[in-house]
Amino acid sequence: DVKVTQSSRYLVKRTGEKVFLECVQDMDHENMFWYRQDPGLGLRLIYFSYDVKMKEKGDIPEGYSVSREKKERFSLILESASTNQTSMYLCASLPPDYKNTGELFFGEGSRLTVL
Amino acid sequence: AQSVSQHNHHVILSEAASLELGCNYSYGGTVNLFWYVQYPGQHLQLLLKYFSGDPLVKGIKGFEAEFIKSKFSFNLRKPSVQWSDTAEYFCAVNALTGRRALTFGSGTRLQVQP
Repeated sequence: DVKVTQSSRYLVKRTGEKVFLECVQDMDHENMFWYRQDPGLGLRLIYFSYDVKMKEKGDIPEGYSVSREKKERFSLILESASTNQTSMYLCASLPPDYKNTGELFFGEGSRLTVL
Repeated sequence: AQSVSQHNHHVILSEAASLELGCNYSYGGTVNLFWYVQYPGQHLQLLLKYFSGDPLVKGIKGFEAEFIKSKFSFNLRKPSVQWSDTAEYFCAVNALTGRRALTFGSGTRLQVQP
């Protein structure tokens, strides 16, 4: 079974703090994604990466950056947290044969509260 | 860019009632379609998916969905819901050209009353 692990389940940070959300997958997937989930808005794509050192903006990248130094690890960075970034953050990975399978594998989520 | 619309935001049913959740997507090319479910306090899980072939697909726990290409729809159905089906349901689409990320709808919260 694919395992996607998000290191922090719950975080509370103050406005202006730098926040790191870590995600590790154990199936050698090239494709990794960060979404945020908000009530009534569903999941919205923040950033994604198809390979090490590669990153692309999703639909709502403002206020976020990412790092992909190793294939298995994809980190989401909030340079200066703001209260409107209070949300559930979901990491996901996608196998290389995504056109045949297409299934995203999700982590448990990191619930971030910014005070 | 593709988008997904889920028309029902909150549905309340009694046990044994039939369920149909609407999902429409906007994209003119070939797509893969998915329904994910999120039970309270749990992570998102795949319920079912459509890639090609028979437009009526069956998933886990008695759920099924029908792909109607002419209507750009992929509605989720279950003939008789149970209390344990209480969850949030997300429709998602992946266009096979362009970016590989899934685009999700806003979700439908289903509440099944015993």
